[in-house]
Amino acid sequence: KNEVEQSPQNLTAQEGEFITINCSYSVGISALHWLQQHPGGGIVSLFMLSSGKKKHGRLIATINIQEKHSSLHITASHPRDSAVYICAVRYYTDKLIFGTGTRLQVFP
Amino acid sequence: GAGVSQSPRYKVAKRGQDVALRCDPISGHVSLFWYQQALGQGPEFLTYFQNEAQLDKSGLPSDRFFAERPEGSVSTLKIQRTQQEDSAVYLCASSRGGQVQYFGPGTRLTVT
Repeated sequence: KNEVEQSPQNLTAQEGEFITINCSYSVGISALHWLQQHPGGGIVSLFMLSSGKKKHGRLIATINIQEKHSSLHITASHPRDSAVYICAVRYYTDKLIFGTGTRLQVFP
Repeated sequence: GAGVSQSPRYKVAKRGQDVALRCDPISGHVSLFWYQQALGQGPEFLTYFQNEAQLDKSGLPSDRFFAERPEGSVSTLKIQRTQQEDSAVYLCASSRGGQVQYFGPGTRLTVT
């Protein structure tokens, strides 16, 4: 069992739809990261959060520490949002433990 | 440079060869991480440095894997006697320590 579980594994949406990707983890953490990886491309950090909610443009990330759960939302999705979205957690050292990712495809 | 750079971007090695993968972190970043990403999987931690000190090498899969960062800047990941299961993308990331990690483009290693 992976320490970091993401759902769904694959997600297909029409342009304009509201998208939610979920992440659950098993033990207490110091921070949770959401990352984006385009096919053949590098990884870009979207958010780092340890409580509450953060927003950047059309992206919103929330975390519930008690429930050990985080969500990444994309409002008004666009084909350029198509990528793999990865949740990763940091315990009390700096190394990250990654989920297996959610592959998102947004069609026009 | 502005970001984390890695070289080579692609490496093909015959089984049994030794390889060396280089990472140039962002200037001033004290923490440097190596991750391995198999096809279709999320990255997995290999090892981590704070300055020149290797604080955690628990993710290195075997004693064929060795990493160093002798002057606290550039790091090299060395794989001896490569095996087919070593084929993966090797990612390097750097950070100021406890902060957002910035990833390099990765080195895709193919062992034939």
